[in-house]
Amino acid sequence: KAGVTQTPRYLIKTRGQQVTLSCSPISGHRSVSWYQQTPGQGLQFLFEYFSETQRNKGNFPGRFSGRQFSNSRSEMNVSTLELGDSALYLCASSLVAGGQETQYFGPGTRLLVL
Amino acid sequence: AQTVTQSQPEMSVQEAETVTLSCTYDTSENNYYLFWYKQPPSRQMILVIRQEAYKQQNATENRFSVNFQKAAKSFSLKISDSQLGDTAMYFCAFMNGNAGNMLTFGGGTRLMVKP
Repeated sequence: KAGVTQTPRYLIKTRGQQVTLSCSPISGHRSVSWYQQTPGQGLQFLFEYFSETQRNKGNFPGRFSGRQFSNSRSEMNVSTLELGDSALYLCASSLVAGGQETQYFGPGTRLLVL
Repeated sequence: AQTVTQSQPEMSVQEAETVTLSCTYDTSENNYYLFWYKQPPSRQMILVIRQEAYKQQNATENRFSVNFQKAAKSFSLKISDSQLGDTAMYFCAFMNGNAGNMLTFGGGTRLMVKP
C-alpha cells in the first residue's frame, strides 16, 4: 500500500498570501489529522477530519482551516500568512478514529513565509 | 487538558548499548493511549511503539520496550542494542481514547548513537 502523501513538499510564500496544502491518506483510511511542527512550539495539533467532518480542532486562529473530500483526501488552508506560520506541516491518517488504530504520518510540507 | 513532558532534550549512547528515554504525562482520563514516535533527519514521523492504558503488560517491539507506570503517569522507552540508524528525535505522545485522533506530543528527545 502506498503511504500518506503530502503535496507540495516545499513551499515559499510571502506575508499576506494564502496557501493550500494537500494530504492523501493511505487507501481505506478515513481519518486525517494535521499537525504543525516548529522549533519553538514543537508539534501542535491543528485539526482532525473523519468522513468529511471536522471532529477536533486545536488552538489555532481562524486563518487555519481545512476540509476533507469524499475520497478522504484532505486540504488545509492558511490565509493571510504570517512569518510565524513557517513550519513543517504534517498530516497523519488512520483507518478509524479513537486510538485503537495506528496513525501513519506523511513526509510533511515545509512552508517558509518571507 | 493533557500535558506530556520529556525531561531529556538530548541524549547519546554508544552503539550496541542500551538507553532509556523518559516521558511523563498528566491526565484525568482513564481511556487513553501512549505512543513513542521517531523522527529521523528525513523528518518522516515513524511509530516506534504504542501502549494501551488498560493493558498492564508493557509493550515490546523487537529492540524497543516501554516501562509503563500508570499510577506514576510515566512512560519510558528502552532501546536495546542501539544502532546507528536509531539516531533521531524521539517524541512521546498521548491520545485520549474518547476524543478522536488528537495526539499531544512532548517536546522530544534528540538521541545520538555513537559508533
